[in-house]
Amino acid sequence: QKEVEQDPGPLSVPEGAIVSLNCTYSNSAFQYFMWYRQYSRKGPELLMYTYSSGNKEDGRFTAQVDKSSKYISLFIRDSQPSDSATYLCAMSAILTGGGNKLTFGTGTQLKVEL
Amino acid sequence: EPEVTQTPSHQVTQMGQEVILRCVPISNHLYFYWYRQILGQKVEFLVSFYNNEISEKSEIFDDQFSVERPDGSNFTLKIRSTKLEDSAMYFCASSQDRDDEKLFFGSGTQLSVL
Repeated sequence: QKEVEQDPGPLSVPEGAIVSLNCTYSNSAFQYFMWYRQYSRKGPELLMYTYSSGNKEDGRFTAQVDKSSKYISLFIRDSQPSDSATYLCAMSAILTGGGNKLTFGTGTQLKVEL
Repeated sequence: EPEVTQTPSHQVTQMGQEVILRCVPISNHLYFYWYRQILGQKVEFLVSFYNNEISEKSEIFDDQFSVERPDGSNFTLKIRSTKLEDSAMYFCASSQDRDDEKLFFGSGTQLSVL
């Protein structure tokens, strides 16, 4: 079983739709959960991060973590064409030497159509 | 807004040649990282670096790879003798301190080994 699994898509939605992106993981040591957005040929850009189970909201974005099910989600409300990108989930455990080694999902390619 | 900068954006080299990829992390950050992304695959952790030494490295980061902080601003990744399979996008990242889960990524260097 892969450490982090994410449906690669592509996912195509109309403008204004609610988008749901998901990842599952197998490593119980993961403590921190992040969502990154990556535009073509660019570096990942941090969108959301959470530590505990539950919801965290930031504008049109809501991150949800369910540690008991090892399942995380990112919801995008009122999606816009500018949201078209690849969305990467990423997770980390606390390193014994400090620092933060991230394990990424494969990324879900999202296209928001006019 | 502060950002991680990487140079060059593209690097083409012959198999067996040495390459140095350069990064300027965000100025008050203390942890530095290299990740890579082979085309169509996940972003993968290579190495983390703190206080002028490697904190952790992945099994990808073998003796052909080295990292260095030659001065107060630059952070470099050297590949001693490149192989075809080293072709990838290499991302530098930094975080503020050892307990900071937020990594900020540069735009990457696309390395092509011919």
